[in-house]
Amino acid sequence: DAGVTQSPTHLIKTRGQQVTLRCSPKSGHDTVSWYQQALGQGPQFIFQYYEEEERQRGNFPDRFSGHQFPNYSSELNVNALLLGDSALYLCASSRAGQVGIGANVLTFGAGSRLTVL
Amino acid sequence: AQSVTQPDIHITVSEGASLELRCNYSYGATPYLFWYVQSPGQGLQLLLKYFSGDTLVQGIKGFEAEFKRSQSSFNLRKPSVHWSDAAEYFCAVGLEPGTASKLTFGTGTRLQVML
Repeated sequence: DAGVTQSPTHLIKTRGQQVTLRCSPKSGHDTVSWYQQALGQGPQFIFQYYEEEERQRGNFPDRFSGHQFPNYSSELNVNALLLGDSALYLCASSRAGQVGIGANVLTFGAGSRLTVL
Repeated sequence: AQSVTQPDIHITVSEGASLELRCNYSYGATPYLFWYVQSPGQGLQLLLKYFSGDTLVQGIKGFEAEFKRSQSSFNLRKPSVHWSDAAEYFCAVGLEPGTASKLTFGTGTRLQVML
C-alpha cells in the first residue's frame, strides 16, 4: 500500500520564478494538506483541500495556491518566488468523516525540497 | 491562537539511557496532541496521539507520552534509547473535529544518541 508520494524530490529555482509541486495521497484518503518546513523549524500549515476546494488556509500569501483533482491528488503552486520560500514542502493526507482522534491523523509524504537562489 | 513550545532544541543521550522530551501547549481547551518523528530525508511519522481518556498513551517504537492538564504538557518518554532513535521529534496540537489536518507544530527537538 503506497503512502503519500510527492514530486519532485528536490528542485532549484531562481527568485521571481514559479513552481508546482505534486502530491498523491495515501490510498483511501480524500483530504490533502500542505505544510512548509523551513530549515530548523517545525512544519507550518499552508492549506487543506477536500472535494476539490480549499477548506482551510494558514497565514500564507496569495502567492501560494493549490488545486485538488478528482482523483484526490493535489498540486501546490508558488508564484513570484522569494528567497524565503526555500523550504521542505510536505504533503499530508487524511480521510474525511473520521470522528474523534481519527479526524486529525495525518500521513505525511517525504517532501519536496525547494531551493530558491 | 494555539501554540506549542518544545524548550529543548537539541538533546544528547547515551544508548540505553532513558529519554524525556518536553512539550508545552497553549490552548483554551484540551486539544488533540501528537508526537511525530522525522528522520533525515524523510517525512513525519506519527509516534502517538492523545485526545481523551487515559493520560498515559503508548505509541510505536516503545515510546509513551503523558498528558498533564495542570501543566499543559505532553512529554514524550522512552525508558531505553536505541541508536536508531536519533532523529528530530515534533510535538503538535490539533483542534476539535471539523478542523482536521490543521496541526500546529513545535520547533522540534533534535535527538542525538551516543554509542
